[in-house]
Amino acid sequence: GENVEQHPSTLSVQEGDSAVIKCTYSDSASNYFPWYKQELGKRPQLIIDIRSNVGEKKDQRIAVTLNKTAKHFSLHITETQPEDSAVYFCAASKDTGFQKLVFGTGTRLLVSP
Amino acid sequence: ETGVTQTPRHLVMGMTNKKSLKCEQHLGHNAMYWYKQSAKKPLELMFVYSLEERVENNSVPSRFSPECPNSSHLFLHLHTLQPEDSALYLCASSQKLGGGEQYFGPGTRLTVT
Repeated sequence: GENVEQHPSTLSVQEGDSAVIKCTYSDSASNYFPWYKQELGKRPQLIIDIRSNVGEKKDQRIAVTLNKTAKHFSLHITETQPEDSAVYFCAASKDTGFQKLVFGTGTRLLVSP
Repeated sequence: ETGVTQTPRHLVMGMTNKKSLKCEQHLGHNAMYWYKQSAKKPLELMFVYSLEERVENNSVPSRFSPECPNSSHLFLHLHTLQPEDSALYLCASSQKLGGGEQYFGPGTRLTVT
């Protein structure tokens, strides 16, 4: 089955810096890669996603890149702000008729003012 | 609120108790999911229901018993749990199979004593 690895487990940056979180997946049939943000004590929320027919997607300060050959994808946050502090999860799934997401272990991002 | 609600938000139960977790979605989705979130582990998919039929059971112990009476409601019945079952149990729903964003509920924090 699918296995998703995520690095780093913790990431500390200064406000205004960029942050990059990387994930690798094992199943070459996976074609959907969402990123979720979970603030302390709150539910995970989708922040951006990408499908395998696209190499990069941007939404304001957030971008995701996908390298299908290497089977890895990354989340890029520019101009980080303290409110970006949270745990970020990557996930992967394939269109098998239902959306069975396999999640990474999460990255705790701390943005210091 | 995202439209997915869960009750109770916190639950403490003994190993011999029987309790149920409830999830309700108000988004008109046709798939619902149960996840387990433990400290330092990735989100683990437990069950998937599509159009009220269970389509996936990720080898979950029989002490967890799901029920989906209609497309808006999902239950997780618990009995004779173990301390290692203590975790945050998250419900999610999606608009369609194979591609819609999963919306999460706030979770039930379960402690087994």
